[in-house]
Amino acid sequence: EIVMTQSPATLSVSPGERATLSCRASQSVGGNLAWYQQKPGQAPRLLIFGTSTRATGIPARFSGSGSATEFTLTVSSLQSEDFAVYYCQQYNNWPYTFGQGTKLEIK
Amino acid sequence: EVQLVESGGVVVQPGGSLRLSCAASGFTFDDYAMHWVRQAPGKGLEWVSLITWDDGNTYYADSVKGRFTISRDNNRNSLYLQMNRLRPEDTALYYCAKAVAATGGLFDYWGQGTLVTVSS
Repeated sequence: EIVMTQSPATLSVSPGERATLSCRASQSVGGNLAWYQQKPGQAPRLLIFGTSTRATGIPARFSGSGSATEFTLTVSSLQSEDFAVYYCQQYNNWPYTFGQGTKLEIK
Repeated sequence: EVQLVESGGVVVQPGGSLRLSCAASGFTFDDYAMHWVRQAPGKGLEWVSLITWDDGNTYYADSVKGRFTISRDNNRNSLYLQMNRLRPEDTALYYCAKAVAATGGLFDYWGQGTLVTVSS
């Protein structure tokens, strides 16, 4: 099983600033890495797939990068609606695994 | 508009059984693989099971293998999860999720979940 590790667990950022979230895989997942956003009481929403492709309707302030085992989600100019929990997920091999999540909170 | 509506979550005793359902609409159901993903209270996401578009292949997390069975009825646009020999650690919100293709583990739509509580 591929273990996904996200850092930090909690990130405090002011609105308008940039946030950088990290995700590491225990072995290469190629480019098969996705990011999801989850707000309290809501289902997860797909943000990024294929490491860097934004899903339909996702604003351009969200961007993904990386390869193999190291990945990054960047949110430029944070808006109030961006404060949530973010999960990375590898879909290169089953069992499909998620990171433990990064909570992005208002500073 | 894609909609996934889960049902069947209840409080059940350890060792009991339960069947979850997911009603799908807004897309051609039998073109896509479907998944169950769960989230224990206050915890992260855990993939549970996958069924390919044609019911030909099923996959399970080790934590549920041999106890849970995923199935689908393409005529009814419905996904199911039969859960047997339930344990307290199976307590979670269970999401139905649509894959982006006929197989594979990338999810583009999720339901709102149904809560399963395993407790005596």
